[in-house]
Amino acid sequence: DVKVTQSSRYLVKRTGEKVFLECVQDMDHENMFWYRQDPGLGLRLIYFSYDVKMKEKGDIPEGYSVSREKKERFSLILESASTNQTSMYLCASTYGLAFRSSYNEQFFGPGTRLTVL
Amino acid sequence: KQEVTQIPAALSVPEGENLVLNCSFTDSAIYNLQWFRQDPGKGLTSLLLIQSSQREQTSGRLNASLDKSSGRSTLYIAASQPGDSATYLCAVRDAGGTSYGKLTFGQGTILTVHP
Repeated sequence: DVKVTQSSRYLVKRTGEKVFLECVQDMDHENMFWYRQDPGLGLRLIYFSYDVKMKEKGDIPEGYSVSREKKERFSLILESASTNQTSMYLCASTYGLAFRSSYNEQFFGPGTRLTVL
Repeated sequence: KQEVTQIPAALSVPEGENLVLNCSFTDSAIYNLQWFRQDPGKGLTSLLLIQSSQREQTSGRLNASLDKSSGRSTLYIAASQPGDSATYLCAVRDAGGTSYGKLTFGQGTILTVHP
């Protein structure tokens, strides 16, 4: 089974702190994604990566950065956390090339509930 | 820009009922459509994935259909159980070489199955 893990289930940080959210997948997926989920707004894409050291902005990248130094690991960084970044953060991964998988299913981690005080 | 809509926003049914959740999307140029389940405070669990060339997929009591030309998908749940209570999300992956597998999500349908 594909497994996507996230470093923390719950996290409480203070305004202005630098925050790292880690995501690891064990299926050799090329593509990895970070979403945030808020009531009434649904899931919104923050950043994604299609290869090591490659990244693309999603719909709401402001206030965030990412790092992908190894294929299996994709990190989301909040340079200076703010209260409006309190949210559920979800990481996902999928194969990048169609021939690698006939289904290209996207798999999600358990989520990190981040509270910024 | 792709937009995904799910109807109804919430549904409450007695145990044992068969039910249908609806999903519509505005751009029919999709690669696939995926249905997810999300329990409160948890991540998303993939239920079914339908490729653009397929009409339906089945897994146990779940059946998902896809009508790409009309931009619609339905998730049929047979003989519902209290354990089916969750939020159900549909998401489409747009066709196109630069999409990199990005999904566009609907807002979800909150399902409650009461004993």
